[in-house]
Amino acid sequence: AAGVIQSPRHLIKEKRETATLKCYPIPRHDTVYWYQQGPGQDPQFLISFYEKMQSDKGSIPDRFSAQQFSDYHSELNMSSLELGDSALYFCASSPGLAGYEQYFGPGTRLTVT
Amino acid sequence: QKEVEQNSGPLSVPEGAIASLNCTYSDRGSQSFFWYRQYSGKSPELIMSIYSNGDKEDGRFTAQLNKASQYVSLLIRDSQPSDSATYLCAASSGYSTLTFGKGTMLLVSP
Repeated sequence: AAGVIQSPRHLIKEKRETATLKCYPIPRHDTVYWYQQGPGQDPQFLISFYEKMQSDKGSIPDRFSAQQFSDYHSELNMSSLELGDSALYFCASSPGLAGYEQYFGPGTRLTVT
Repeated sequence: QKEVEQNSGPLSVPEGAIASLNCTYSDRGSQSFFWYRQYSGKSPELIMSIYSNGDKEDGRFTAQLNKASQYVSLLIRDSQPSDSATYLCAASSGYSTLTFGKGTMLLVSP
């Protein structure tokens, strides 16, 4: 079965640079979620989109922005990167909003030096 | 503040034993509950979802939900070394997103 695709899988950036992470949801899933997971931490919700509209917002820094496109893929844009942004970034998708199961992608490991 | 609480562990069980993982949640409006398994450095993998009181079985896994006690559990029968991972409990209410617990590390010894 098709899974969530994320690219790139690994990314190394320097402080103050920008990064763009991409997420391709499971076919026919219209809802995308972004999570950040630091070492030894549980996934922290950043932002979600349903039918190309922002549906919920969590602890996403103002330096970050995201959108969902007409083909339902999503991009997370991160600017003015800080050392503390180094983490695993997961995208998850679900076939709707209300309590549906979320399926996670393999993640992007971002390292900021 | 919505919270999901789990013992961090590690929970150590011998191979072939039953592993019992527990979770409590604070939001009485929570309606959907999920168990994810996560290996170190990998993404969370959905194991079970449960929406109503009682038990739900899938292979070696059984999820239990008691909304009156705000309690969710996961039983793993015939535990295998490959089950060694961190298990994340998550809850969702209505249209809100998932709230995760901090996870319980399970160690299954051969």
